[in-house]
Amino acid sequence: AQKVTQAQTEISVVEKEDVTLDCVYETRDTTYYLFWYKQPPSGELVFLIRRNSFDEQNEISGRYSWNFQKSTSSFNFTITASQVVDSAVYFCALSQYSGGGADGLTFGKGTHLIIQP
Amino acid sequence: NAGVTQTPKFRILKIGQSMTLQCAQDMNHNYMYWYRQDPGMGLKLIYYSVGAGITDKGEVPNGYNVSRSTTEDFPLRLELAAPSQTSVYFCASSYSTGGYTFGSGTRLTVV
Repeated sequence: AQKVTQAQTEISVVEKEDVTLDCVYETRDTTYYLFWYKQPPSGELVFLIRRNSFDEQNEISGRYSWNFQKSTSSFNFTITASQVVDSAVYFCALSQYSGGGADGLTFGKGTHLIIQP
Repeated sequence: NAGVTQTPKFRILKIGQSMTLQCAQDMNHNYMYWYRQDPGMGLKLIYYSVGAGITDKGEVPNGYNVSRSTTEDFPLRLELAAPSQTSVYFCASSYSTGGYTFGSGTRLTVV
């Protein structure tokens, strides 16, 4: 069985601070995909990133960066110089690689990020 | 491209009523999914389908039914609505290399 743990239920920071959202996962698969989604107050799910388990390079996209460490089963997400528009619930998720992930995503419970002006 | 379209966006049901949540995708994806999201929780998989005519249970299938007669459509049926089914429902589709597209959600309240 797969499991995704986001231990931080809620984080509140002041605008322009850096913030890291933690994600720890469990899977028996040797190859898998990891994802981050953003859910703003409007409710839709916004795709942020997908990472293959055999690619451990860190990734940076503007103010967003992701640190994937297979040795600790973690896929953490950092927002640099946070902005009020970053306020949202962020979900980490996991899917199998074999079979093309046909049996869907396993989600963590989400981290509610509040950016105060 | 419309992507994944869910209807309705909002619905209030009385206990014991039935309804169908509609989901359609125009990306020719083989895989389709239904998730529910309860407050403070992540999304949980209700049912999924790997192609027309094939469906399978996810983590929380009780109280729901699905069908997949075409590649495009994947309706979710609630037969006897219960307050525990108050939730936000998301439909999603994917292609075999693991990219998922989500609909905008249906907010269902059972009273």
